[in-house]
Amino acid sequence: AQRVTQPEKLLSVFKGAPVELKCNYSYSGSPELFWYVQYSRQRLQLLLRHISRESIKGFTADLNKGETSFHLKKPFAQEEDSAMYYCALSSSNTGKLIFGQGTTLQVKP
Amino acid sequence: NAGVTQTPKFQVLKTGQSMTLQCAQDMNHEYMSWYRQDPGMGLRLIHYSVGAGITDQGEVPNGYNVSRSTTEDFPLRLLSAAPSQTSVYFCASTRGTSGNNEQFFGPGTRLTVL
Repeated sequence: AQRVTQPEKLLSVFKGAPVELKCNYSYSGSPELFWYVQYSRQRLQLLLRHISRESIKGFTADLNKGETSFHLKKPFAQEEDSAMYYCALSSSNTGKLIFGQGTTLQVKP
Repeated sequence: NAGVTQTPKFQVLKTGQSMTLQCAQDMNHEYMSWYRQDPGMGLRLIHYSVGAGITDQGEVPNGYNVSRSTTEDFPLRLLSAAPSQTSVYFCASTRGTSGNNEQFFGPGTRLTVL
């Protein structure tokens, strides 16, 4: 079964601390993985996708097929990073997205 | 481009009432979908459509109907509202069915069923 798991409901760090939001998945095939972010009072938006291998707003995520993980990392958290983060897996050829439960990141001053 | 729009933003219903949540996109996207967002559950797919005239069920379709008569519009109908349908509903669209495509989300509709 296709599944995305984000084990932490809430992650609270101080400004300048490193951040790692965990994401594990189960999928039979080659996964397409994404991180979406929802800032307060804003709509959900794409943060990054694994195929692009890009860094957005200082965040990176590496696909580890051996550990079936796609953790989101940032070396130095900023207060404006406070938001809800969703890991998502795309079912290829259908466009369907399967979301994890979401992790709220709280960056304290 | 307005992107993905949803109406209404807020709605309160009584148990048993019916209503339609509207969703429209002006990006000529083939794929559209409806999700509900509940605390601790993430976003769960209700129904989706890969093009006009084609719809299919997602993970939690019971109690909801959809239709896709045009590329632009994808309304979600609650047939007989129940308190379990209290949630925030998001509509999304994407250019095609390739797994790499970014999905664009609407602002959401917050629904309360009493």
